[in-house]
Amino acid sequence: NAGVTQTPKFQVLKTGQSMTLQCAQDMNHNSMYWYRQDPGMGLRLIYYSASEGTTDKGEVPNGYNVSRLNKREFSLRLESAAPSQTSVYFCASSPGDEQPQHFGDGTRLSIL
Amino acid sequence: AQSVTQLDSHVSVSEGTPVLLRCNYSSSYSPSLFWYVQHPNKGLQLLLKYTSAATLVKGINGFEAEFKKSETSFHLTKPSAHMSDAAEYFCVVTPGGGSYIPTFGRGTSLIVHP
Repeated sequence: NAGVTQTPKFQVLKTGQSMTLQCAQDMNHNSMYWYRQDPGMGLRLIYYSASEGTTDKGEVPNGYNVSRLNKREFSLRLESAAPSQTSVYFCASSPGDEQPQHFGDGTRLSIL
Repeated sequence: AQSVTQLDSHVSVSEGTPVLLRCNYSSSYSPSLFWYVQHPNKGLQLLLKYTSAATLVKGINGFEAEFKKSETSFHLTKPSAHMSDAAEYFCVVTPGGGSYIPTFGRGTSLIVHP
């Protein structure tokens, strides 16, 4: 049972570089989410996708873009990385709104 | 608007003693409430959820939580702490009323002493 798989697990970038964080789920869930976790801040929602073909901004979307490639995959892109985007990024999925979410193990991203 | 307040950033207990992690919320609708646990370098795992079926909710690993609408609280308890319970705990509210966006508390770090 893979659940939610995130790649890569670790990444170091230089300011201004771009990269895409990948997320895939094998539970046939409709909804997918991207969060960032910073010390003492809990998790903050960056973007979510309530269903295939739709995406919406969350609490902290600036500097990020997302793509819901199909029902399984939801990617997060940093077009021009900034040190303020150093964080741990979590992808999650759920069967639908108000349902529990299943989380990946995170991507630890450092931007120098 | 919705919000979640976890009243303690750290809670320290001895193994075998009760655990109480406090959470207050505000929501304009009938919310769904969740508790998640996060062990070091891992993603979050669901402990339990409240969705209006019963006010006392039992979860995994002996945890339970009571929904008190009059106090807008959803505190997490366990009768007897184990060393393996040491982790970060998050209270989460999904507001309902058609909103998909969950709000996370800032987390409570549970420390368990031998």
